[in-house]
Amino acid sequence: GNSVTQMEGPVTLSEEAFLTINCTYTATGYPSLFWYVQYPGEGLQLLLKATKADDKGSNKGFEATYRKETTSFHLEKGSVQVSDSAVYFCALSDDGGFKTIFGAGTRLFVKA
Amino acid sequence: SAVISQKPSRDICQRGTSLTIQCQVDSQVTMMFWYRQQPGQSLTLIATANQGSEATYESGFVIDKFPISRPNLTFSTLTVSNMSPEDSSIYLCSVAGSGSTDTQYFGPGTRLTVL
Repeated sequence: GNSVTQMEGPVTLSEEAFLTINCTYTATGYPSLFWYVQYPGEGLQLLLKATKADDKGSNKGFEATYRKETTSFHLEKGSVQVSDSAVYFCALSDDGGFKTIFGAGTRLFVKA
Repeated sequence: SAVISQKPSRDICQRGTSLTIQCQVDSQVTMMFWYRQQPGQSLTLIATANQGSEATYESGFVIDKFPISRPNLTFSTLTVSNMSPEDSSIYLCSVAGSGSTDTQYFGPGTRLTVL
C-alpha cells in the first residue's frame, strides 16, 4: 500500500540555519503531496502542497519539490526562525484524493 | 478554507467511561474525518463520517468502540467508549477542502487523558 517515510527527529537548529527535512513516498498512481505543520498545542495546518511531478510548493519561506524519479518531497527553508519550532508532517493523498496518509512527523527545535 | 471547532479541547476521564467529542464546521462540507494522534506519534485515520449513513471505519477501528454521528453537513461527533489508558490521545476532526478535495483542514484537536 501507499506510505510516507520521513526523517526522524528531533532536529535542533540555531536561528538562521538552513533546514532540510527528508520525505520519501511509495504510491501507485500520481498522488498529491503535502507538508503539514503542527505548532505546540494546535491542530495541523497545511504548509504547502504539490499536485504533480516537478511542481514546487512554497509558503512562508518553506519549499518542497515533487520529485517523481526519486519519489521524494523534501522540505527546505533557507533561514529558520524560533517561531518555526513545530512538528512537520509529510503526507500524500490516496484513494482518489479523499484519504490522506501521514508520515511519522519530524519535530523541529530552533534555538535563538 | 473552513474554520473548524472542537469541544471539549481537553478532558481527563476515568477508565470505563465514555466521552463524546463534537466537531463543528463553519460551512457545509461533504467529507469529514476523525483521526487519532497517540503521544509522540503520527495521525491515524479512525473513520470517515458520512452524512445520512454509517461511518466508514479503517482497519483496527470498530463502531462499538468509536461510534460516530453525522446529522448534517456541518457537524459530527465521535464517542470514545469504555475508555482505557491506551485511549489517551489527541483526537482530531478534519474536513476535505471544497475546492481541492485532496487538501484537509483540521480542527484544534481534543486532548484526552484516561486514568
